[in-house]
Parts: sequence; C-alpha cells; structure tokens
Amino acid sequence: GESVGLHLPTLSVQEGDNSIINCAYSNSASDYFIWYKQESGKGPQFIIDIRSNMDKRQGQRVTVLLNKTVKHLSLQIAATQPGDSAVYFCAESHSGSARQLTFGSGTQLTVLP
Amino acid sequence: EAQVTQNPRYLITVTGKKLTVTCSQNMNHEYMSWYRQDPGLGLRQIYYSMNVEVTDKGDVPEGYKVSRKEKRNFPLILESPSPNQTSLYFCASSLGVAANTGELFFGEGSRLTVL
Repeated sequence: GESVGLHLPTLSVQEGDNSIINCAYSNSASDYFIWYKQESGKGPQFIIDIRSNMDKRQGQRVTVLLNKTVKHLSLQIAATQPGDSAVYFCAESHSGSARQLTFGSGTQLTVLP
Repeated sequence: EAQVTQNPRYLITVTGKKLTVTCSQNMNHEYMSWYRQDPGLGLRQIYYSMNVEVTDKGDVPEGYKVSRKEKRNFPLILESPSPNQTSLYFCASSLGVAANTGELFFGEGSRLTVL
C-alpha cells in the first residue's frame, strides 16, 4: 500500500551546522511533495514543495532534493538555528495539490547549543 | 490576520456524548480538511471538502461526520465518541485544487480525550 516514511524519528544537530532530514515514499504515482514543520503545541506549517518534474528546489535556508529513481526526498536546512527545532513531516500527493495529502510520521529535529 | 480557528482547543468527554469541533477560516479558501494526529502515525485525513456542499471521505472517516454549508466553516461531528477517537485534531484549509498548491494552512489543534 501507499506509505510515506522517515528514515529516522529523531535528529540532533549543533547550532550552525547543516541538517538533512530524509523521507522515503512508495507510491510511484506521487507527483508532488511537500515539507511541513510543526513546532510544539502548534499546527504544521508549510515549508517548501517540489513537483516530480524537478529534482531540486531551494528556498530561504532550505533545499529539497527529490530522487524519483529510489523514491527518496530530503530536506536540507542550512546553518541550523534553535528556532528550527520542531517535527518535520514530508507529505506526498498524486493529485498535484493539497487534496488527499499522505503524511509521513515525522522526524523530531533538536538543535543543540 | 489570516487564520484557521478551531474550537474547543481542549476537551474531555465521555463515551457516547455527541460533540462538535468547529473550524472556521477567513481566507476564502475553497478546500478544507480534517486530520487526526496520533503518536507514530503522523497526520491522517478524516474528511475533506472541495467546496460548499461537497465533502469526501479521507483515510479514516469511521465515526466522524462533517458538513460544509458555508465556505468559511467546516465542523467535525462525533455522533457517539469512543476512546479510540482520543487524539489531536487539526483543521486545515487551502486555496483549492485549481490553485495547484499543496500549501495547507492549519489551525492550532484540538486535543480531545474520550473517557
């Protein structure tokens, strides 16, 4: 069946280092991928998205990489800051939109001082 | 301020006592959705609505009802709550399929405990 999973449930990085959060998906029909950030006690917030016709997309301090061959997605955060501590979810869609997004179980990122 | 507002934020209830969690958005979004979040399972979609009077089941619709009589409101109804519906619930909205975006705007969440 369809699944969107994370390689590691937790990740700790030193402040100032780069973070890499990984995600695997199984649905070959998935054509749209999104990363969300959820801070403690809050709802998820959109970070960045990428469509299957791209393999890389950059935002402010974040980069998403998509490898369709191995069905792998990663989120890179440059110069990680304490405010980046949160749970990060990848989500996939085969509708190209927010309709029926399938979310992964999340990775807890902790930024160490 | 653009936002999605859920109420109540916290609720403890007993098995079988009907309850409604309200959700309202002020962004004129066509698409609205309900998710539940449980440890280790991520966010699972309960119901979604593409527009007024149009609702569809998500991945875990059993035990829930929704309605979309107005564009801004999308209440989640638990007719006869059971303990396995104890969870953190999120309402979300988006511009809609035509906007071709996966950007969902989430509410702050409603933590429900069913005893």
